[in-house]
Amino acid sequence: DAKTTQPPSMDCAEGRAANLPCNHSTISGNEYVYWYRQIHSQGPQYIIHGLKNNETNEMASLIITEDRKSSTLILPHATLRDTAVYYCIVRAAQTGGFKTIFGAGTRLFVKA
Amino acid sequence: GAVVSQHPSWVICKSGTSVKIECRSLDFQATTMFWYRQFPKQSLMLMATSNEGSKATYEQGVEKDKFLINHASLTLSTLTVTSAHPEDSSFYICSARGSSGRDYDEQFFGPGTRLTVL
Repeated sequence: DAKTTQPPSMDCAEGRAANLPCNHSTISGNEYVYWYRQIHSQGPQYIIHGLKNNETNEMASLIITEDRKSSTLILPHATLRDTAVYYCIVRAAQTGGFKTIFGAGTRLFVKA
Repeated sequence: GAVVSQHPSWVICKSGTSVKIECRSLDFQATTMFWYRQFPKQSLMLMATSNEGSKATYEQGVEKDKFLINHASLTLSTLTVTSAHPEDSSFYICSARGSSGRDYDEQFFGPGTRLTVL
């Protein structure tokens, strides 16, 4: 079973920041938080990941709470092309043997 | 990020035939490959995990004799749907993970193969 909880859907206005929350209250000390997104009829695309510090890349920012029980993915300036299903996943860091299990994700609709 | 390709991108076949889907990691060596299945408006469901040179490990409820997985090299895995039936129609996605030398492994996904069984 997925170890994360996300809202099923969210709306965002084009050009505004999209903040997607994720709860992972049972996360273990060696587990990273990963975010992927899936645009319709495509394979999932990696966005960002983190362990305990906030992270930022060219796509998004990841804010992880101090107790690591929740996180927020931030798309700073959402565009129509960001409409997709966003998956928050926790996954162990050690090599080999672990599996990526997808939950239901959040369906983000970016509206003009 | 690394590139994972799948071939074919879509396939239509008659009921009872077998279909092979290829998954390749193009610019890295994939020590582990995963196969997922996704039905319309549902999330990805993990079918099996395979490590190069060894037998695949199937998730509960996935028939290993129906979904044959071969991971013969560090860049290629194949999924064969044997004696396909209309209920096997789905979007099949592979994923490849390689060792990057860091304390976490990168995992990348293919574009998916849409299988339609008539």
